[in-house]
Amino acid sequence: AQTVTQSQPEMSVQEAETVTLSCTYDTSESDYYLFWYKQPPSRQMILVIRQEAYKQQNATENRFSVNFQKAAKSFSLKISDSQLGDAAMYFCAYRWNDMRFGAGTRLTVKP
Amino acid sequence: NAGVTQTPKFRVLKTGQSMTLLCAQDMNHEYMYWYRQDPGMGLRLIHYSVGEGTTAKGEVPDGYNVSRLKKQNFLLGLESAAPSQTSVYFCASSSQGSGANVLTFGAGSRLTVL
Repeated sequence: AQTVTQSQPEMSVQEAETVTLSCTYDTSESDYYLFWYKQPPSRQMILVIRQEAYKQQNATENRFSVNFQKAAKSFSLKISDSQLGDAAMYFCAYRWNDMRFGAGTRLTVKP
Repeated sequence: NAGVTQTPKFRVLKTGQSMTLLCAQDMNHEYMYWYRQDPGMGLRLIHYSVGEGTTAKGEVPDGYNVSRLKKQNFLLGLESAAPSQTSVYFCASSSQGSGANVLTFGAGSRLTVL
């Protein structure tokens, strides 16, 4: 069964600085999809970024980028120029047939 | 533009009672999912459906049943609620085909079992 591991339960970053959230996953598949979702206190799940496993180029979305290492089964999220509104729970997710999530990382942004 | 709607948003049950959570989507999505979210455990898949009339088990299906009689609706049932089922439940949907299709989530339903 596919598993997703987020080893950092909590992270903290100073406003305007950069932070990286880690994610590893376990799969025997070669074609799959990876996602980062953000969950603010409102509880709404918001897509941050996604990556197709067959693409070597790392995905970027404005201040958010990923470091996708397929051989290592690693998918980290980098947030640049952190803003107060980035404070939230962040979930890494893997999709092949269904969608599986990691346990989440709570990000705090200090002013 | 409703997206994914869950009802009810809050519910308190006594142990042994039954209830049904309703998920409705208006995006003509084929795939629908039920997750539960517990502190420190992220979202865990309970059941999912790849089309009308079909359902499949996820990671934590025990104690739950589901039905997908209409394409737009996905029902999650608890026949005999237990305190371990206290959680926040999320429904999600996506279009079929490419796995890159993003899940659209509902706002969540908080269930407390006393």
